[in-house]
This record gives sequence, C-alpha cells and structure tokens, in this order.
Amino acid sequence: EIVMTQSPATLSVSPGERATVSCRASQSVSTNLAWYQQKPGQPPRVLIYDVSTRATGFPARFSGSGSGTEFTLTISSVQSEDSAVYYCQQYTAWPLTFGGGTKVEIK
Amino acid sequence: EVQLLESGGGLVQPGESLRLSCAASGFTFSRAVMGWVRQAPGKGLEWVSDISGTGDASFYVDSVRGRFTVSTDSSKNTVNLQMTNLRAEDTALYYCAKRMRSNGGSYDSWGQGTLVTVSS
Repeated sequence: EIVMTQSPATLSVSPGERATVSCRASQSVSTNLAWYQQKPGQPPRVLIYDVSTRATGFPARFSGSGSGTEFTLTISSVQSEDSAVYYCQQYTAWPLTFGGGTKVEIK
Repeated sequence: EVQLLESGGGLVQPGESLRLSCAASGFTFSRAVMGWVRQAPGKGLEWVSDISGTGDASFYVDSVRGRFTVSTDSSKNTVNLQMTNLRAEDTALYYCAKRMRSNGGSYDSWGQGTLVTVSS
C-alpha cells in the first residue's frame, strides 16, 4: 500500500497570503496524483489531477506541482472562500490512498 | 451532467448487513470505473472499492475484503455495495464516485453520500 503523508495538518493564512500544502508518497506514484477540496457538509471536489491540471471551475490561483513522491498544492493568494480541507490522493495503484488532509483556515 | 445518487444507508447493529446503491446518469456507464469512498465522522477520506462499469473487475481495501461486495447493474446504471458482518469502524458517510477515465484517473464526480451507522 502506498502511504500518502500530508503536511501541515492545519494551515492558518491571511487573505492574500500564499498557502502551500505538501504531500509525500511512500513510493513513486508517477503523475497519478490528485488534490481534492472539501467544504463542510459537502462531498469532495477534484481540484487538481495528474499533478498539475486544474479542474473546471477552479481559479488560476490554485496550482499543483511535483513528481514521483513529492507534491505540492499552492494557493497563490488565499481568499476567504478557500477555507476547506484539502486531500491528496494517489491513483497509480490499488488500494487507492488519500492523505490525511490539511485544513486551511483563513485568519 | 453527471449525477450520482446514493441510497440505502441506515442504522444497523454489529454483525448485520446493509446494501448501498448508487444511481448514475449523464455518462456512458459501461465505460466508467466507479468507486466507493467513505468518511468516518470528523475524519478523512478512505477509499473502499472500485469496479469497472462492466462489472468484470473489482478492487477492495483490505479492511473490507471478504465482507463487502461491489457490483453493477448495467440495465439500471447502478453500482451496489453489499456490506455484511458490519463493524463499528464501518460507521461512515459512504460516497459513490466516478473515476475520470475508463482506465482510472482521479474521481471527477461524487454523490452527496449515504450515512451508515453501526451501533448496538
């Protein structure tokens, strides 16, 4: 099983600041890495897939990067509506696995 | 527009069974890979199972293998999750989700979830 480790668990940022969330895989997942955004009471939504492709409906301030085992989700200028929990997921091999989540809080 | 609608959740006692269903529409079901992802109260996401739209390939997380069975009904475009010998740790909101590509990919569509509570 590929273990996905996210950090930090909680990130508190002020509007307009940059937010960076890290995700590490216990072995290479190639480019089979997605990020999901989940707001309270809602299902997750895919935000980034294939490491760096932004899903429809999300603004350009969201970006993904990385390769192999180290990945990063960046929000270039955080807005209040970005308050959510963010999960990384590998889909290179079953069992599919998610990171533990990063809660982004807006100061 | 892709729509996924889960049903079948409820309160059961440990050791009992439950069958979840997910009604899918808005895409070619036979070409999709469908999955179940669960989320325990206040916790993160846990992948449970995937199945091809044709039903000829299925996969499970170790903790449910042998207790849960995923299946499809292509005539109704539904995905089912038969859960037996339920445990307290199976308590969660169960989401049905569709994978982006016929050969995998991320989950690009999710239902609203159906809640399963296992408690005596």
